[in-house]
Amino acid sequence: QLQLQESGPGLVKPSETLSLTCTVSGGSINSRDSYWGWIRQPPGKGLEWIGNVYYSGSTYNRSLKSRLTMSVDTSKNHFSLNLSSVSAADTGIYYCARWANGIAAPIHNWGQGTLVTVSP
Amino acid sequence: DIQMTQSPSSLSASVGDRVTITCQATQDISNYLNWYQQKPGKAPKLLIYHGSNLETGVPSRFSGSGSGTDFTFTIRTLQPEDVATYFCQQYDNFPLTFGPGTKVDIK
Repeated sequence: QLQLQESGPGLVKPSETLSLTCTVSGGSINSRDSYWGWIRQPPGKGLEWIGNVYYSGSTYNRSLKSRLTMSVDTSKNHFSLNLSSVSAADTGIYYCARWANGIAAPIHNWGQGTLVTVSP
Repeated sequence: DIQMTQSPSSLSASVGDRVTITCQATQDISNYLNWYQQKPGKAPKLLIYHGSNLETGVPSRFSGSGSGTDFTFTIRTLQPEDVATYFCQQYDNFPLTFGPGTKVDIK
């Protein structure tokens, strides 16, 4: 049973970089049919796709692309998100997730989510 | 970007009622649409994919239909455990986008 678990600071100061990690268990992050990604949810609001990283590259939401870096660490079976120059608008619950066989596909696996607050 | 709208934004129904939620896209997305259920404090859960396909293990009282720009999600007989927010999501085009959600509770 594939499981995903987010980790990282719950509080980030404005203008700094938000860094989160998603650890994958019950499966290999090297799997070529897996596309790893992030989705966020501001308090009381809807869901926003952030981007994906996979064996052959990455795809980012263009609204965040200039501030975003995602990577995979196969030795630790985890993938990471770095979002620079954050502001209060970046506050929310961040979910890591897995897509199968492409990003243009349903999202079958989700982490439980981690709340990140951007505040001085 | 493709914008997704949902209606209603919230509803209250009795146990056993039929519940219908609509989702509309700003352009034709064929049937590249998923429906998710999110219970309070939990991650979303996939219920319906590719417009009308029931995810494995999801009760058959849930169903989806539609194509193009107009989609419908139905709970045939509402159960207490169905209290949640339901989101549609298109995957025809990047960026992937979600509807604002419909909150369902029990009257």
